[in-house]
Amino acid sequence: KAGVTQTPRYLIKTRGQQVTLSCSPISGHRSVSWYQQTPGQGLQFLFEYFSETQRNKGNFPGRFSGRQFSNSRSEMNVSTLELGDSALYLCASSPGGAGGTSYNEQFFGPGTRLTVL
Amino acid sequence: KNEVEQSPQNLTAQEGEFITINCSYSVGISALHWLQQHPGGGIVSLFMLSSGKKKHGRLIATINIQEKHSSLHITASHPRDSAVYICAVGPNTGNQFYFGTGTSLTVIP
Repeated sequence: KAGVTQTPRYLIKTRGQQVTLSCSPISGHRSVSWYQQTPGQGLQFLFEYFSETQRNKGNFPGRFSGRQFSNSRSEMNVSTLELGDSALYLCASSPGGAGGTSYNEQFFGPGTRLTVL
Repeated sequence: KNEVEQSPQNLTAQEGEFITINCSYSVGISALHWLQQHPGGGIVSLFMLSSGKKKHGRLIATINIQEKHSSLHITASHPRDSAVYICAVGPNTGNQFYFGTGTSLTVIP
């Protein structure tokens, strides 16, 4: 099975712009979670989608949003970019199920490194 | 307030040494995960456990639910084990993860 793929791998934007990141999960996985990793804050949970519905959300402002399509692919959008949004954005997929994200092994993609100038 | 604390932050070992990384957490959990991150960013899930002990090759993970503590052990360490090891917990309320700040391990040949 192919692993989790993320596009693009690298992205440079300027303050005020918006950005869309894409994640294709492992075939058959229905849950996709998004994470932000920065040197100062480490890894932080953004949100999780399961069967096209946002099932849980971390403590990020509304500028961060996402969606999931019927084929389980997911996109994450950040509007009005700030310098502090520079980070590695990781998505992870799991089979999902009623137990929720924390009960399932997460399979991570390679990440998208976003630089905001 | 950090829900997950890891120690040590940095660790340097000689090849062949036995290594222990510790993780303490403050919330009730449904599961605890150990992750490995190599330079370049790729993250691999090593273990997911909610009780007892798991072993995979030279890696062993244990958890003590009463003490809210987990350890990751690496036996006969090798330079390819050099990576950042991250502890993550899934609380038993809600469906998100809380992450430790990671332990950077360097194994010298």
